[in-house]
Parts: sequence; structure tokens; C-alpha cells
Amino acid sequence: GDSVTQMEGPVTLSEEACLTINCTYTATGYPSLFWYVQYPGEGLQLLLKATKADDKGSNKGFEATYRKETTSFHLEKGSVQVSDSAVYFCALSDQGGSEKLVFGKGMKLTVNP
Amino acid sequence: DADVTQTPRNRITKTGKRIMLECSQTKGHDRMYWYRQDPGLGLRLIYYSFDVKDINKGEISDGYSVSRQAQAKFSLSLESAIPNQTALYFCATSDGGPTTGELFFGEGSRLTVL
Repeated sequence: GDSVTQMEGPVTLSEEACLTINCTYTATGYPSLFWYVQYPGEGLQLLLKATKADDKGSNKGFEATYRKETTSFHLEKGSVQVSDSAVYFCALSDQGGSEKLVFGKGMKLTVNP
Repeated sequence: DADVTQTPRNRITKTGKRIMLECSQTKGHDRMYWYRQDPGLGLRLIYYSFDVKDINKGEISDGYSVSRQAQAKFSLSLESAIPNQTALYFCATSDGGPTTGELFFGEGSRLTVL
């Protein structure tokens, strides 16, 4: 079945450091890809998404590009802030109308001042 | 006030007890979902509903039941709780499904079954 593999962490960075969180997927067909973020004590919220190959999603300084050839959707940010401390989930949804989002295990990021 | 509200936020119960987790939303979305989050396992879909008359099982529905009382309300029940149902439960809503629309999550209900 469909699956998502992502870096699990936890990861601790200093403010202004570069961030890359790797995410690869296995799916039949052409899934849509997502990054969700969970801040402490809150529910998940959509950070960005891409629905077809070579699409780039971006939001709040984060970017991820849908790479069909490497089945990847790595999340990047050039300069992290303390407020970026959260758990990040990569997810996919197939294009067949399924309501099922397949989530990775999540990666906890802590950014220190 | 939050758009997606879950109650209770925390509950400790004993094996065999019946538990209901409630979810209400003010977003006006037709689609509602219950997910379960376990450490190191990500989120898994328990049940989802397209409208009051349409309830569907997710990937881990065994041991759970749901009720869609109104467009805005979707409850999750554990008829006889067991310790491996200890988890963080999330309700979510969407107006177009996870591919075309964004999922909006509640803050979660932490359930501990002793």
C-alpha cells in the first residue's frame, strides 16, 4: 500500500540555521503531497501542498518540491526561527478520490535562540 | 473560539468502560474525520463522514463507533475501552476531501485507558 517515510528526529537547531526534512513516498498512481505542522498543544495544520510533479509548495518561508523521479517531497527552510519549533508530518493522498491521508511518523523540531 | 472543538481534552478511564469523544465545528464543512495519533506512528484514520447520512470506516475502525448527529457534530465512541486504545485522538473537517481541500484539525483529545 501507499506509504510515507520521513526523518523522525528529534532535531535541535539554532536560530537562523538551515532546515531540511526528508520525505519519500511509495504510491500507485500520482498522489498529492502535503506537509502538516503541529505546534505544541495544538492540532495539525496544513503548511503546504503540491498536487502534481514539479509543483513547488511554499508557505511561511518553507518550501517543498514534488519530485516524481525520486519520489520525494523534502521540506526546506533557509533560516529557522524559535517559532518554527513543532512536529512536522509529511503526507500523501491518492488521486482516486480516497479520503485517506497517509501520514509519515512525524519529526519533532526544536529551535533554540 | 476554535473552529473545531473537541471534548474532553483529557480523559483517564478504566478497561471496559464506555467512552465518548465529541467534536463540533463552526466551519460549515460537510466532511468530518476522526484520526488517532500514536507516538512514532503518525496519524491513522478511524472513521469519516461526508454528511449526516454517510458514515465510512477508515483503516482502523475496529473497537470504535461514530455518530454524526448533525452537520456540525461528529462523535467517536469506544464501547469497551482497552489499554491499546490509549492515544491522542483528533477530529478534523474539510470542505473538499484531503486532496482538494485542507483538513482543519481540533486540538486533540488525550485518552488514557488503564
